[in-house]
Amino acid sequence: DTGVSQDPRHKITKRGQNVTFRCDPISEHNRLYWYRQTLGQGPEFLTYFQNEAQLEKSRLLSDRFSAERPKGSFSTLEIQRTEQGDSAMYLCASSSLTTPLARSSYEQYFGPGTRLTVT
Amino acid sequence: EDKVVQSPLSLVVHEGDTVTLNCSYEVTNFRSLLWYKQEKKAPTFLFMLTSSGIEKKSGRLSSILDKKELFSILNITATQTGDSAVYLCAVYSGGGADGLTFGKGTHLIIQP
Repeated sequence: DTGVSQDPRHKITKRGQNVTFRCDPISEHNRLYWYRQTLGQGPEFLTYFQNEAQLEKSRLLSDRFSAERPKGSFSTLEIQRTEQGDSAMYLCASSSLTTPLARSSYEQYFGPGTRLTVT
Repeated sequence: EDKVVQSPLSLVVHEGDTVTLNCSYEVTNFRSLLWYKQEKKAPTFLFMLTSSGIEKKSGRLSSILDKKELFSILNITATQTGDSAVYLCAVYSGGGADGLTFGKGTHLIIQP
């Protein structure tokens, strides 16, 4: 399977604990995105990377959230001191930016998501 | 702030019916509009639209964009129970946050 993969698929944690999620994008894709989706809502953009550089962070991403993509391949999203409001599906997507106007640059392919439940 | 509004939020039809899903948007520096289908998992890509008036078609699904009126529609003809899903509309604006801005989705239920 050469699609986007995420690990773990489900995570249950107690309030105040730290959690870390991993995303492995499609291998030739240089852009990687993180989204959060709650029930009945569309995904909300959190942050994205082009290669290893984190180029944009949404104001939804509080100081408790940090994301890395150290070698421009896989990425991790860490949430410190989790709160019940952090319970959501965390989606990762990737795309390929070949030229600024390349059609494929806007087609983002999503992974299966990590469902986080904070108790 | 970029905004994407989908309607209706939910729709129940019978198998064989034709449905039209709506998406309107207000964004700065519009680049493209995308439609995704989401069942009980991650969204899967359907269409990307960048030019007005050019219909994209894939089997029983089709979509068109009106950049003057700032909306898009997704049509599904001869619906089947497997079309039941949440259909998400998203806009890429290329300004501000570089991710997609999604609407809340239309929850489509096809009854046999």
